[in-house]
Amino acid sequence: SAVISQKPSRDICQRGTSLTIQCQVDSQVTMMFWYRQQPGQSLTLIATANQGSEATYESGFVIDKFPISRPNLTFSTLTVSNMSPEDSSIYLCSVEWTGYQETQYFGPGTRLLVL
Amino acid sequence: DQQVKQNSPSLSVQEGRISILNCDYTNSMFDYFLWYKKYPAEGPTFLISISSIKDKNEDGRFTVFLNKSAKHLSLHIVPSQPGDSAVYFCAASPRNTGNQFYFGTGTSLTVIP
Repeated sequence: SAVISQKPSRDICQRGTSLTIQCQVDSQVTMMFWYRQQPGQSLTLIATANQGSEATYESGFVIDKFPISRPNLTFSTLTVSNMSPEDSSIYLCSVEWTGYQETQYFGPGTRLLVL
Repeated sequence: DQQVKQNSPSLSVQEGRISILNCDYTNSMFDYFLWYKKYPAEGPTFLISISSIKDKNEDGRFTVFLNKSAKHLSLHIVPSQPGDSAVYFCAASPRNTGNQFYFGTGTSLTVIP
């Protein structure tokens, strides 16, 4: 399995500012994912980040709002730009794992509150 | 459009009894299914998965059943323990066409001692 850490674990931000969330994995992985979980909702995929290429964004999410970096095989960042209260969510990173059972392992999440 | 649905937001079960969590999906392209457990302030933890070529997969106290014709899967936990109290998410993937997982909205399970 993979051990994933995220920073910060939580933050309270002002409208119009930006926050960068870091995701660190303890082993090299090809594919990393960023999800959002709004209150009472399911996990929604924001984008897929492969090392050495541009992130692939899902419908409804754009690079200008959620720029992603993937500088190496163990690290990725997600920036939430020009925040509004609607961006208040839990943001989670995950990694693809193709061991005995194919799955994704998740980080602990970053709780973001935008005032 | 929610392609994976968990229609029961909550479930309470007595310790030692069976917990049955249900999940329905609409996309016939889904061919791989997973269950995750999530405690407060933690990320989802992988529990068990099943491929569409099977109708049952068992791992200890956890069994997942898949009914492809009904587009329905369920997770059985036997016997239920208080430590099983958490939110359970089902997820589905069209594995042959990509790595995206589609998640349900979760069912909060409470196991009463």
